[in-house]
Amino acid sequence: DGGITQSPKYLFRKEGQNVTLSCEQNLNHDAMYWYRQDPGQGLRLIYYSQIVNDFQKGDIAEGYSVSREKKESFPLTVTSAQKNPTAFYLCASSASASLSGNTIYFGEGSWLTVV
Amino acid sequence: AQKITQTQPGMFVQEKEAVTLDCTYDTSDPSYGLFWYKQPSSGEMIFLIYQGSYDQQNATEGRYSLNFQKARKSANLVISASQLGDSAMYFCAMREGGTGGFKTIFGAGTRLFVKA
Repeated sequence: DGGITQSPKYLFRKEGQNVTLSCEQNLNHDAMYWYRQDPGQGLRLIYYSQIVNDFQKGDIAEGYSVSREKKESFPLTVTSAQKNPTAFYLCASSASASLSGNTIYFGEGSWLTVV
Repeated sequence: AQKITQTQPGMFVQEKEAVTLDCTYDTSDPSYGLFWYKQPSSGEMIFLIYQGSYDQQNATEGRYSLNFQKARKSANLVISASQLGDSAMYFCAMREGGTGGFKTIFGAGTRLFVKA
């Protein structure tokens, strides 16, 4: 089945640790995105990538890093510099980043908790 | 700057009745897309419906329809014949077609409760 797979679903991080959230898509989409969602709130864009080996900061990129070495994969690293990382993280993709009509499709999300 | 506003934090509807979830937006770009997503308690975001700024007719997808009033900059979601499984968070989103085309912004969401 085509779709977006995120792993792990639940992740616990100790203070000072970096953690990486995986995102893989088999939709042949060019563009991929990472969003953060805090309880009871909407989504905020962390990073996006329009093509392989290229990515751009979103609204809340500080404390996060990404890579786009393959079209299918867009992992997100939450670094120790991110002071309040506990949140729900959603990976998404779209056929293109540049057209207003391109729907964004989401993975099932990853819950990150700092312990 | 683009902006999305959902003014209803929570809504209640009786099963089998219709409900309208409000969404207003602001943009100076003549080319844009409007989306609605459903987020059940499991957390996944499910795409429901899309409306393009140049579309002449309101979008419909099964029990979902989008009441698009361009002059008023509103894009309300109408759910007909509500079902218990419709209980979820609903997000309105917008994407501009110009230089900001990479960015889809989301409203704060409306939580819908369907009563039996």
